[in-house]
Amino acid sequence: QVQLQESGPGLVKPSQTLSLTCTVSGGSISSGSYYWSWIRQPAGKGLEWIGRIYTSGSTNYNPSLKSRVTISVDTSKNQFSLKLSSVTAADTAVYYCARAYYDILTGTRYFDYWGQGTLVTVSS
Amino acid sequence: QSALTQPPSASGSPGQSVTISCTGTSSDVGGYNYVSWYQQHPGKAPKLMIYEVSKRPSGVPDRFSGSKSGNTASLTVSGLQAEDEADYYCSSYAGSNNLEVFGTGTKVTVL
Repeated sequence: QVQLQESGPGLVKPSQTLSLTCTVSGGSISSGSYYWSWIRQPAGKGLEWIGRIYTSGSTNYNPSLKSRVTISVDTSKNQFSLKLSSVTAADTAVYYCARAYYDILTGTRYFDYWGQGTLVTVSS
Repeated sequence: QSALTQPPSASGSPGQSVTISCTGTSSDVGGYNYVSWYQQHPGKAPKLMIYEVSKRPSGVPDRFSGSKSGNTASLTVSGLQAEDEADYYCSSYAGSNNLEVFGTGTKVTVL
């Protein structure tokens, strides 16, 4: 059974960089047919897709966050990471990591496994 | 990329049906059959309920069904049960920019 677990500081000061890691267990992060995403949810609000990374290392980001986001992968540790720079109170949210199944032939894709989420608060 | 539009709330009595809409554009919902639906209970991670517009993952009751017409996708929950009370989010691939976009979310209440 695949499991994802987010880790990182729960409190970040304004203007600093938020850094989170997602550790994948029960399967290899290098397996084909998947990509790995970060998604966030401010309290009482909806889900916002932050970006994705393929096992090749290729990335795509939400245009609204693109200038501040970096997603990377460490296949040796079966982890992928999120860095969000110049944070403000508006970045306070529960951050989820998720695996997406992706069929390169048909194009179908969906998020089949999610981490439990980690609350990150931006405050001085 | 704008969020997909969902009604804020929907409700029904046990045993009844409720349908939730998810409206996008031809660049996302209307352009691709890669719409999925997620159920989220308070304090929990979202759970996949429907993928590729109308397909159910193993373990999801057949009370949950999905469809799409033009730029609008829909999720129907038939035979409502107390445990169906949750927030529901649609998601779509937005191929023109190779992005993902979520809906605004719908709170389903079982009366």
